[in-house]
Amino acid sequence: DTGVSQDPRHKITKRGQNVTFRCDPISEHNRLYWYRQTLGQGPEFLTYFQNEAQLEKSRLLSDRFSAERPKGSFSTLEIQRTEQGDSAMYLCASTPGQVLGNEQFFGPGTRLTVL
Amino acid sequence: GDSVTQMEGPVTLSEEAFLTINCTYTATGYPSLFWYVQYPGEGLQLLLKATKADDKGSNKGFEATYRKETTSFHLEKGSVQVSDSAVYFCALIPRQGGSEKLVFGKGTKLTVNP
Repeated sequence: DTGVSQDPRHKITKRGQNVTFRCDPISEHNRLYWYRQTLGQGPEFLTYFQNEAQLEKSRLLSDRFSAERPKGSFSTLEIQRTEQGDSAMYLCASTPGQVLGNEQFFGPGTRLTVL
Repeated sequence: GDSVTQMEGPVTLSEEAFLTINCTYTATGYPSLFWYVQYPGEGLQLLLKATKADDKGSNKGFEATYRKETTSFHLEKGSVQVSDSAVYFCALIPRQGGSEKLVFGKGTKLTVNP
């Protein structure tokens, strides 16, 4: 399967713990996006990468959140000192990024539950 | 800022009924417009898109026309099937900014009964 993959699919953690999610984009897709989706809402943009460079971060991304994309391939999203309000579905998407309005291909998401 | 407003659900229809899901947007300039669909247990998938005014996107019997006069991109299908049951998201990519980040509406859950 050559789609976007995310790991883990589900994560349950206790408040105050750190968690890390991984996203593997479609091969050779230059742009990689992270979104967060809470229940009953549409996905909200968190951050994006052009190759290995993180070019924009949303105000939703507090100091407890950090994202990386070493070597411009897979990406990780880490949340430190998790809070109950961090409970959400975290979505990753990738796109070739060369044409305006390109389709973004989404992964299945990682569902985070903070107890 | 840029935003998308779509009709609240849930929407419940019988098979072969006509579907309309309203979507309006607020954006600077002329954004690209999208409908994404999320089937139960699956990830978001692009259903159709339109990148300029008066463009009509279509796929799997669904259609939506980019109307700049009314800033709308309503989704329609003439005859829905049980397999169309899903959550539908209207979204835009602003023309300005360069990030090409998607701005989504809240989603509309559609249930089609046999």
